[in-house]
Amino acid sequence: QKEVEQDPGPLSVPEGAIVSLNCTYSNSAFQYFMWYRQYSRKGPELLMYTYSSGNKEDGRFTAQVDKSSKYISLFIRDSQPSDSATYLCAMSLNNDMRFGAGTRLTVKP
Amino acid sequence: DTGVSQDPRHKITKRGQNVTFRCDPISEHNRLYWYRQTLGQGPEFLTYFQNEAQLEKSRLLSDRFSAERPKGSFSTLEIQRTEQGDSAMYLCASSIDGLAVGETQYFGPGTRLLVL
Repeated sequence: QKEVEQDPGPLSVPEGAIVSLNCTYSNSAFQYFMWYRQYSRKGPELLMYTYSSGNKEDGRFTAQVDKSSKYISLFIRDSQPSDSATYLCAMSLNNDMRFGAGTRLTVKP
Repeated sequence: DTGVSQDPRHKITKRGQNVTFRCDPISEHNRLYWYRQTLGQGPEFLTYFQNEAQLEKSRLLSDRFSAERPKGSFSTLEIQRTEQGDSAMYLCASSIDGLAVGETQYFGPGTRLLVL
């Protein structure tokens, strides 16, 4: 079993839809949880960062962490074609960061 | 300084050749990381530096790989005797040393290596 599991998709939605992206993890010691967006042939770009269970909102993006279930989510409201990218979940303990495989999202106009 | 930069962005080499990549982190960041990413996978940790000290190396980092950060600023990653399996995107990231606030790593654009 991988430490971080993420459905690779691909996921295709119409413009304006609400997108839900998820990851599960096995190491309960992870303390910090992040979502990165990666456009094709580019480096990952930090979107959201949380360190506790609960929700964190930033514009159209909401990150949710449930440590008891070892489950994290990213919600994108009013999705736009420019949101089309691969979304990577990541989690860390001190200096050790683990990434999911990434979910490829396409938002169709 | 607007972010992490990497050079070159693309490198094509023949099997058996040596290659070297450079990373310039965000100026106030004292931690620097190297990752490898293959198609359809997330980045895999290779090694990291705290200033000029290399503090951790992954088992993925074979003896053909060496990384340096001589003055605690930019870093180089060298691959000797390249193999086709080394073909990947090599990503550099940097962060501020702040255990109290956790690790927020900022990535560069990556160097895409193709070994023929």
